[in-house]
Amino acid sequence: GAGVSQSPRYKVAKRGQDVALRCDPISGHVSLFWYQQALGQGPEFLTYFQNEAQLDKSGLPSDRFFAERPEGSVSTLKIQRTQQEDSAVYLCASSLVPEGSNEQFFGPGTRLTVL
Amino acid sequence: DAKTTQPPSMDCAEGRAANLPCNHSTISGNEYVYWYRQIHSQGPQYIIHGLKNNETNEMASLIITEDRKSSTLILPHATLRDTAVYYCIVFLAGGNNRKLIWGLGTSLAVNP
Repeated sequence: GAGVSQSPRYKVAKRGQDVALRCDPISGHVSLFWYQQALGQGPEFLTYFQNEAQLDKSGLPSDRFFAERPEGSVSTLKIQRTQQEDSAVYLCASSLVPEGSNEQFFGPGTRLTVL
Repeated sequence: DAKTTQPPSMDCAEGRAANLPCNHSTISGNEYVYWYRQIHSQGPQYIIHGLKNNETNEMASLIITEDRKSSTLILPHATLRDTAVYYCIVFLAGGNNRKLIWGLGTSLAVNP
């Protein structure tokens, strides 16, 4: 079956522009995660959804970052008024169940470059 | 901050076993050890996890010391496609916590 997909794969934005990044999780997966990965660093947790409920958004770096998953499937990460320090790869992951094993399936990521 | 310490880089000859160490001296009794890897320009990939006992699957083996303060991921016959950054993560499941805290990992180079 299909894995986690993300679009676009690459996004170039001018500073101050708003961007929206999309994640299509594996069908039936309850949990969905967003991570930010700067060059040469490990992924950093941004936020977590269980179905449509955003249960943890402690990793969102500022109020310019907003994530939603209105129907418990597709999720969108929105960044308003982008700044150069937002340049990173944004990874989405999903997992089947909210309890037990934390095996997360990752998408290929969206590489955001803010000029 | 990550609760694990890993060497920044390692080399391994193709066909030999790759043994990747991880220190997690502050691990608590209910925390699991997870391993993921990330091949260049791809998303991370789950490898294996364990609590106390050694674990094996089709990808790798995980050896956890009796005091649980360290572990070793073993790739029994490394191939060129195993070249990647390997992350050791300590994770405590509970309530709404599903957050994985990632460090810098070990960059493994498998050489022909």
